[in-house]
Amino acid sequence: NAGVTQTPKFQVLKTGQSMTLQCAQDMNHEYMSWYRQDPGMGLRLIHYSVGAGITDQGEVPNGYNVSRSTTEDFPLRLLSAAPSQTSVYFCASSYSSSGNTIYFGEGSWLTVV
Amino acid sequence: GEDVEQSLFLSVREGDSSVINCTYTDSSSTYLYWYKQEPGAGLQLLTYIFSNMDMKQDQRLTVLLNKKDKHLSLRIADTQTGDSAIYFCADCALINTGKLIFGQGTTLQVKP
Repeated sequence: NAGVTQTPKFQVLKTGQSMTLQCAQDMNHEYMSWYRQDPGMGLRLIHYSVGAGITDQGEVPNGYNVSRSTTEDFPLRLLSAAPSQTSVYFCASSYSSSGNTIYFGEGSWLTVV
Repeated sequence: GEDVEQSLFLSVREGDSSVINCTYTDSSSTYLYWYKQEPGAGLQLLTYIFSNMDMKQDQRLTVLLNKKDKHLSLRIADTQTGDSAIYFCADCALINTGKLIFGQGTTLQVKP
């Protein structure tokens, strides 16, 4: 049981490049979400999904796309990276009926130069 | 929208108790969480409390919830240097979405 797996752990991008942060969970969780962490601002919700085929925007969705074609995977796409997207990204998942335990991945450190 | 506020910094001496405070605005909070983040690492769930509880104790950790004042605190007894980290308070804003609203994080510095 690997829990929530994020890849890559570290990435440096040039402005304008695109990339996908991968997130996978093997716990059959319905709910998955992406957060970004910036100094002094805590974690802010980017996008979330309540099940396969369903996604919705969070607090800071601009510049990011998501899809949820399977229960296990929830990739986050940056179509044209900007320096403002330099951040640490966390993926999370949970059961629908159990709000008491939300599992986080180990984070992806992204630098856009 | 919902908001969660924390003080940014707390410094204590090893062996003392630490109390980290958090306030939230959401009237329909169901679960409230405390996460710990060490430098360069991910988020570790420390403990959580359901909104119909006013206290939860787990070894050195005590969580107090004052629902009337929308105030949550985390007390760490006998604080150790290994407790130095950033502590995040989070509110499960909507239980059927898995969404969390995080505070800014409190950096706990433990001096020997």
